[in-house]
Amino acid sequence: SQTIHQWPATLVQPVGSPLSLECTVEGTSNPNLYWYRQAAGRGLQLLFYSVGIGQISSEVPQNLSASRPQDRQFILSSKKLLLSDSGFYLCAWSVSAGPNEKLFFGSGTQLSVL
Amino acid sequence: DAKTTQPPSMDCAEGRAANLPCNHSTISGNEYVYWYRQIHSQGPQYIIHGLKNNETNEMASLIITEDRKSSTLILPHATLRDTAVYYCIVRVRQGGKLIFGQGTELSVKP
Repeated sequence: SQTIHQWPATLVQPVGSPLSLECTVEGTSNPNLYWYRQAAGRGLQLLFYSVGIGQISSEVPQNLSASRPQDRQFILSSKKLLLSDSGFYLCAWSVSAGPNEKLFFGSGTQLSVL
Repeated sequence: DAKTTQPPSMDCAEGRAANLPCNHSTISGNEYVYWYRQIHSQGPQYIIHGLKNNETNEMASLIITEDRKSSTLILPHATLRDTAVYYCIVRVRQGGKLIFGQGTELSVKP
C-alpha cells in the first residue's frame, strides 16, 4: 500500500534562518506531488506541484522553493524565513492527472517562525 | 476555474444526518465536484467526488443538482468523529491541481 512520510511534525525557526521540509512517498511510481500551506484558521493554499523529477510549478511567488531530486521525494526550502512563513505545511501525492485523481495528504509540519 | 461557496460553519446533532451545501454556479461541463475533510491538525482526507450523477460510498453521499450549480454532501449518521472542516472543490482541469477554499466547519454535538 502507498504511504506518505512528512517530517518534522513541528518546527520552530528564527526569522532569517533556512528551511528544509522533506516528503517521501512509498508504494507508487511517478506520483504527482504537492506542497500546500495553511495559515491559522484559513484554507489550504497550493504552493508547488510536480508531475515528475525536476518538474516544479509554482503557484504563489514567495521566498519558498521546491525541488524533486528523486521520483518520490519532494523538498520545500527557504534560504531566509519570514514571520509570514509560519503555518501548517502539507505534502500530498496523487497518481493520474485525470478527472478521477485523488489527493492523499501527509500528516503535516507545523512551522513557527519567531 | 469554477469557485465554490460554502457556509463557514454548521452544527449537527450526533446520530442525525449532516447536510453540507456547496454552490458552484460557474462550473464547467467537464469539471468534477470533490469533497475533502480536515480534522484538526491533520492532513485533509478524500471523501467523495462526482460529475453529474449522485454518488454514494462508505463515508457519505453526494447529491448534485441537475444544473450542476450546487451540491450537497450528506453524512447519514453523524458521529462526534465527523467534526471537521469540509471542503467542496471543483477540479481544475489542467495540471492536476486541487484548489481548496475556506470550507465549512462542521461541529457534531452530543
